[in-house]
Amino acid sequence: GDSVTQMEGPVTLSEEAFLTINCTYTATGYPSLFWYVQYPGEGLQLLLKATKADDKGSNKGFEATYRKETTSFHLEKGSVQVSDSAVYFCALISGGGADGLTFGKGTHLIIQP
Amino acid sequence: DTAVSQTPKYLVTQMGNDKSIKCEQNLGHDTMYWYKQDSKKFLKIMFSYNNKELIINETVPNRFSPKSPDKAHLNLHINSLELGDSAVYFCASSQDAINSEAFFGQGTRLTVV
Repeated sequence: GDSVTQMEGPVTLSEEAFLTINCTYTATGYPSLFWYVQYPGEGLQLLLKATKADDKGSNKGFEATYRKETTSFHLEKGSVQVSDSAVYFCALISGGGADGLTFGKGTHLIIQP
Repeated sequence: DTAVSQTPKYLVTQMGNDKSIKCEQNLGHDTMYWYKQDSKKFLKIMFSYNNKELIINETVPNRFSPKSPDKAHLNLHINSLELGDSAVYFCASSQDAINSEAFFGQGTRLTVV
């Protein structure tokens, strides 16, 4: 079945540091890939997505590129802020989509001032 | 105006009770889902519902049953609650089941005592 593997953290960085959260996947066919973010006490919000190979999703300074050859979708940001502290989930949807999103285990990101 | 709303936000109940969580979406989406998030933040699909077709994750106990009175609502009913059912339950919806992103509700934190 489909699966998503991401670094679990917690990841602790200083403000303005460079961020990379690794995500790799296993899926049948050509999945769509997503990053969701969950702030404390809240639901999940879509951060960015990519639906085909070599697509780059971007939002709020975050970027991720769909790499089919390495089955990866790593999340990056050049300069993190304290307000970026949250749990980040890599996810995919494949096939007919009726099975819903398959999530990684989430990465807890802590940004210190 | 909340896109996906679920109630209640918190639910504390005793073992053996029956409870329901309600979910409504005002986005005109065709597909709705229920996800369970455990204490380690791991998210797993429970059900997806699209055009009256219900897809059930085989690991979900039959004490859990989704009920959809119309396309905008997908409620979750749980019979004979157990301690292990304690978790955060998220409702979500998407335009279709394939490539579009899912919009999540704020979650219902269920505590079984």
